[in-house]
Amino acid sequence: QKEVEQDPGPLSVPEGAIVSLNCTYSNSAFQYFMWYRQYSRKGPELLMYTYSSGNKEDGRFTAQVDKSSKYISLFIRDSQPSDSATYLCAMIFSRNGANSKLTFGKGITLSVRP
Amino acid sequence: DSGVTQTPKHLITATGQRVTLRCSPRSGDLSVYWYQQSLDQGLQFLIHYYNGEERAKGNILERFSAQQFPDLHSELNLSSLELGDSALYFCASSVEAQVANTEAFFGQGTRLTVV
Repeated sequence: QKEVEQDPGPLSVPEGAIVSLNCTYSNSAFQYFMWYRQYSRKGPELLMYTYSSGNKEDGRFTAQVDKSSKYISLFIRDSQPSDSATYLCAMIFSRNGANSKLTFGKGITLSVRP
Repeated sequence: DSGVTQTPKHLITATGQRVTLRCSPRSGDLSVYWYQQSLDQGLQFLIHYYNGEERAKGNILERFSAQQFPDLHSELNLSSLELGDSALYFCASSVEAQVANTEAFFGQGTRLTVV
């Protein structure tokens, strides 16, 4: 079992839809959770960053972490064609030492249709 | 533009060969991280350098090595290349003195094709 599992997709939605992207993980030691967005032919860029369980909102984006279920989600409200990209979840054990390496999900490609 | 520069953008080489990928971090960033992205494995952390010193190692093969120079640019050397090494190789940089790379900025990557 991989440490981080992400629905492979792809996912296609109409403009304006609410998008829900999810990842599950197996190691309860993960503490920091991130979502990256990667446009075609570009490097990943950090979208959201949360620590432990709870919700975090930034504009149209909401990141949710449920440590008891080992489940994280990214919600995109009022999705736009410009949101079309690959979304990768990532997590780390801690911010210090050798355990700080990012472990990524494989990513899901989202297409928002005008 | 993230401010992280990777060269070359594309590289095609034969099996058994050796290549060097180069990364210039954002101005002021002391940490450089290398990642490999392939369709089957996703994005995998390879190695992290901070101010010239190796700080953390991930799934990096023994055939691969990296270093960070005094001017803070970094090189990833891949030798005895195999078909399975074909992938996108990303470099990321961050200011942080800690090993964590949560606010790292990624370059556009080098696409390596081994034939």
